[in-house]
Parts: sequence; C-alpha cells; structure tokens
Amino acid sequence: RKEVEQDPGPFNVPEGATVAFNCTYSNSASQSFFWYRQDCRKEPKLLMSVYSSGNEDGRFTAQLNRASQYISLLIRDSKLSDSATYLCVVNMEGPGGGNKLTFGTGTQLKVEL
Amino acid sequence: DAEITQSPRHKITETGRQVTLACHQTWNHNNMFWYRQDLGHGLRLIHYSYGVQDTNKGEVSDGYSVSRSNTEDLPLTLESAASSQTSVYFCASSESISGTIDTQYFGPGTRLTVL
Repeated sequence: RKEVEQDPGPFNVPEGATVAFNCTYSNSASQSFFWYRQDCRKEPKLLMSVYSSGNEDGRFTAQLNRASQYISLLIRDSKLSDSATYLCVVNMEGPGGGNKLTFGTGTQLKVEL
Repeated sequence: DAEITQSPRHKITETGRQVTLACHQTWNHNNMFWYRQDLGHGLRLIHYSYGVQDTNKGEVSDGYSVSRSNTEDLPLTLESAASSQTSVYFCASSESISGTIDTQYFGPGTRLTVL
C-alpha cells in the first residue's frame, strides 16, 4: 500500500463548480499535512497546510480526519487558473529531528469554460 | 530576494557518465532535499541533509550521492548514469525547527535525459 494515496483524476469541471479531492495516508504517526499545487512542468508550491480543526483560505478548505487517516481539499467557485495538479503531502519527523515529506502522486484538475 | 536555484535546467548525457546536478539556496536553510519525479510515482526522496556535513539516504538513493560542505549547496551526483535515472529532479529546502510545521521550497527542477 502506498504511504499517501490520491485519485489521479483528471477531474474536468466547469468554471464555477465546487470540486473535492481526497487523500489517505498509511502511517498513523504522521505529524502534519499539506496540499501543494504543481503546474505543468513547474515545481510544487505550498497551497495550504492542513490542521486538525480544518482550515480555510479563500475558496480553498482543507480538512483532516486523523481517526480515518484522511485529508481533503475543497475548491469552491473554480477558476480556470485553478487548473493544476494537487499533491497531498504528509510530514513525518526524520531520524535527525528534521522533517521529511512523503508525496502523493497528485490529482489533476482541469477547469473548463 | 532569497531563492533556490538549480543548474543545469536541462541535461542530456550518456549511460555510464558521471553527472552532477547543482542546487543552491540563499535562505540559509538548514535542511535540503533532492527528489525525482516520474509519471505514476510522484515525488520520491533521493537524499536529504539536515545541516553541514550531514547527509541521509531517502527511499530511492541507489546510484546517487550528495555532500554538504556548506549551508547553501547540496549537489547531487549520479556516479554512473543509467537510463532509469532519466527523470525530473527537484531540489528543496526548509528551515526546520524540530516540532514545527515546516514548508519546503522547491527549485525549478532539472530535466535529465540519459541516453
């Protein structure tokens, strides 16, 4: 089983739609969680961190369910510029006390007119 | 502005050659990481470093080596390039105070083709 699993998509949605991505992780000792965004042929960039209480940043809402080892990302009022691949990322503490990220393979979103 | 850069951005080499990919960051971050990204696998960790003279193996370290002689640089060396090492390579850095949620910042990537 992969440490971080995502539905690869693609999700093709019309502009203005609401879309949700899900992610599961296998290691219950995982400490922190993120969503990164990656545009085609570009580097990943942090979209938002995911907190236990859930958090919102404009049109984006992230949720964490530790009991089910499940993370979600909700995008409301989709824009054409939201088209990208969304990476679910889990952070675990490494042997030296620093952090080590494990990435899902990403979910591709295509927002269409 | 502080940044993280990688060079070269594109490289074509032949099987068996030694190749070094450069990564340089100006944030004075303690932690630096090398990943490779392949279709169907996502980003996989090759090597990482928590500070000068510290290096650690990631999940796909075979055939790769790194050294950390200063804070700013973590070069990645392919000792004898193989076609299986054709990939996009990303370097990243983070400040990393243990116990805190820590953002990694990625370089623009290097596309390596091994013929």
